[in-house]
Amino acid sequence: VLTQSPGTLSLSPGERASLSCRASQSVNSNHLAWYQQKPGQAPRLLIHDASSRATGIPDRFSGSGSGTDFTLTISRLEPEDFAVYFCQQYERPPWTFGQGTKVEIK
Amino acid sequence: QMQLVQSGAEVKKPGSSVKVSCKASGGTINTYAINWVRQAPGQGLEWMGDIVPMFNIPNYGPKFQGRVTITADESTGTSYMEVTGLTSEDTAVYYCARERRIKDPVFDLWGQGTLVTVSS
Repeated sequence: VLTQSPGTLSLSPGERASLSCRASQSVNSNHLAWYQQKPGQAPRLLIHDASSRATGIPDRFSGSGSGTDFTLTISRLEPEDFAVYFCQQYERPPWTFGQGTKVEIK
Repeated sequence: QMQLVQSGAEVKKPGSSVKVSCKASGGTINTYAINWVRQAPGQGLEWMGDIVPMFNIPNYGPKFQGRVTITADESTGTSYMEVTGLTSEDTAVYYCARERRIKDPVFDLWGQGTLVTVSS
């Protein structure tokens, strides 16, 4: 089970966002990904292998962590970053997702 | 640039079945694993299963084994996902998604989603 916190993060553009994803079992090999989803759209891959940015993802997005605790950091929020973020483990099937963190404009 | 194009929205009666398609445009899905993920209204993402069209062997999440069938047609580059015995709890947006590489279930390309509404 992946537990994301907080459920909602209220921040202003330009601020730093830190999103947490905690796994109930260790995610060996750092098989953890992060996705961004905007209303009415499909998810978009941001980070894979816990800390590797996907193609075309700006460097203000970074991932860190290992074992059971992982973090997605957005260094300076841009207006287009306000969205819902999901983590996903692909260590052991069935692949599972966290319940999501909504980053909203304060 | 490859895209995944899904079939249109469906409204179904409880107890019926639905079949959603996912076709590659601008490329081929045959050498990738295609996954199916669903999202109930206002909820999170739920992995249902996958298939590699080249091998045509599906895998299913435990919750969906026996009620979901995932297939692929190499000749048309299309994957299909069928759910039988629909209930209101199956109302969701269903997505197909491509794995970056086979055996690497990170989803780097998604279809636009298909809304399936189950209502009497």
